[in-house]
Formats: sequence, C-alpha cells, structure tokens
Amino acid sequence: KAGVTQTPRYLIKTRGQQVTLSCSPISGHRSVSWYQQTPGQGLQFLFEYFSETQRNKGNFPGRFSGRQFSNSRSEMNVSTLELGDSALYLCASSPGPPTDTQYFGPGTRLTVL
Amino acid sequence: DQQVKQNSPSLSVQEGRISILNCDYTNSMFDYFLWYKKYPAEGPTFLISISSIKDKNEDGRFTVFLNKSAKHLSLHIVPSQPGDSAVYFCAASSNYGGSQGNLIFGKGTKLSVKP
Repeated sequence: KAGVTQTPRYLIKTRGQQVTLSCSPISGHRSVSWYQQTPGQGLQFLFEYFSETQRNKGNFPGRFSGRQFSNSRSEMNVSTLELGDSALYLCASSPGPPTDTQYFGPGTRLTVL
Repeated sequence: DQQVKQNSPSLSVQEGRISILNCDYTNSMFDYFLWYKKYPAEGPTFLISISSIKDKNEDGRFTVFLNKSAKHLSLHIVPSQPGDSAVYFCAASSNYGGSQGNLIFGKGTKLSVKP
C-alpha cells in the first residue's frame, strides 16, 4: 500500500497570506489527524477528522481549520499567516476503531516570511 | 504543562549493545502508548505500541515496557545498529479503540549508535 502523501512538500508564504495543505491517507484509512512540529513546542495536535467530521481539536486559534472529503482526503487551511506559523505540518492517518495507530506522511515545510 | 516527558534529550550507545529510551507521563487517563522514530525532514515512523492492559510488547529487536503505577514506559532496542540512529518520540492517548486522533508527544530523544 502507498503511504500517506502530503502536498506540497515545501511552501514559502508571506505574513497575512493564507495557505492550504493537502493530505491523502493510506487507502482504507478513515481517520486523518494533523500536527504542527516546531523546534520549541515539538509535535502538537491540531485536529482530527473521521468520516468527514471533526472529532477532536487541539489548542490552536481559529485561523487553523480543516476538512475531510468523502474519499478521506483532507486539507488544512491557515489564514492570516504569522511568522510563528513557520513549521513542519504533519498529517497522519489511521484505519479507525479499534485499530488507531497513526501513520505519518513526510510533512509540508511551511516558511512564513 | 508537559503530560508526556522524555527527560533525556540524547543518548549514545555502542553498536551491538542495548539502547534504553525512557518516557514518563502524568495523565492517568492515558491508555495507549506508542513509539515513533524520526529522521530529519521526514515524518515519524511508527515502531511499536502498547495498551494499558499489558506491561510488555515485543516486536523483533524492539520491546516496550509499561509500568502503570510509576507512569513510566521504556523502549529497549537490542542489539542496537547504526541505522537506529534517529530521534525517538514517545506518544500517548486515551480512549483506546475510540477517538485516538489526539496523540500527545514527548519532546524526543536523539539516539546515536556508534559503530
């Protein structure tokens, strides 16, 4: 099976812009989670989608949003970008209950100038 | 407040010896624990997991031990190989079999295995 894929792999934006990142989960996986990795904060949970519904949300401002499509593909959007949003954004998929081990994609490196 | 702590930022081990990576947690509601390995510029790779109903899980060279009373888990790698050199993350979640989208990660331990 192909692994989790994320596009684009690298992105450079300027403050105030918005960005959309895409994630395609492993075939058959219904749950998609998003994480932000920064040197200072480590890996932090953003949100999780299961069957097109947001099931969990982390402690991030409303500028961060996401959605999941009927084919389980997911997108996350960040509006009004700030310098502190520069990070590696990771997507992970899992089959869904009862097996919920998450498998990660390679990430999208976002740089905000 | 860190709910999952990896107190050793780095660990250096000789090839062929045992590597022991440690992780402590504070939330007694956590019931599922995972270890991931990460190389630079790549996503974490799942290694091994354990549910709170067990105290040990083994997969090849990797064994995870869970001590619920101490809220402590450890990953043993035997024998260690140079290819094991990477950053290892401990993660935890609650509601095993339910909503596990929210993994709480430690800050990681960088393992260096010297030939």
